[in-house]
Amino acid sequence: AQSVAQPEDQVNVAEGNPLTVKCTYSVSGNPYLFWYVQYPNRGLQFLLKYITGDNLVKGSYGFEAEFNKSQTSFHLKKPSALVSDSALYFCAVRDNTGKLIFGQGTTLQVKP
Amino acid sequence: DAGVIQSPRHEVTEMGQEVTLRCKPISGHNSLFWYRQTMMRGLELLIYFNNNVPIDDSGMPEDRFSAKMPNASFSTLKIQPSEPRDSAVYFCASRTSEPNEQFFGPGTRLTVL
Repeated sequence: AQSVAQPEDQVNVAEGNPLTVKCTYSVSGNPYLFWYVQYPNRGLQFLLKYITGDNLVKGSYGFEAEFNKSQTSFHLKKPSALVSDSALYFCAVRDNTGKLIFGQGTTLQVKP
Repeated sequence: DAGVIQSPRHEVTEMGQEVTLRCKPISGHNSLFWYRQTMMRGLELLIYFNNNVPIDDSGMPEDRFSAKMPNASFSTLKIQPSEPRDSAVYFCASRTSEPNEQFFGPGTRLTVL
């Protein structure tokens, strides 16, 4: 069965430091992977996706993610965190019916 | 483009009442999704439509929930009768063809007293 795991409920990082939000997946066939961000009292916003091609995907707001097939991971990264990056982040994988399976979400807290 | 539009943004109702949530997808998008988000259960897919046809409603909790998409620009999610455990934020999202991303609306915060 297809699934997504975000092993950390919360990630804390100091402003200016690099950040990583982890995601691992399980899916049959080639994965389609997505990252979304949710700010308080807002809907989810698309950040980036991996469909095929280069394993390093660049997205909105300076975020990027690295697809690692051998480790079945798709970690979200940013070289220098901003306080305004503080939000809830969701990883998702497309299942074989076209739906997105979302992880439980990781709260990112960036402190000044 | 105005994005996905949902109404109402907030709904407070009493147990047993009928609740109707509305969604207007982005023009040209042919897939529409209804999600529910709670602290306990996270983000759950309730149902999705492709070209106005329900494709997968396995996430609909029970018969009290129903969803329709009478045309490409409008969908409703109805709960009848509502119960306190239905309190959640309900999101609508739309998408063009695969493998494109889904665009989410701002959500409807439902409180059932």
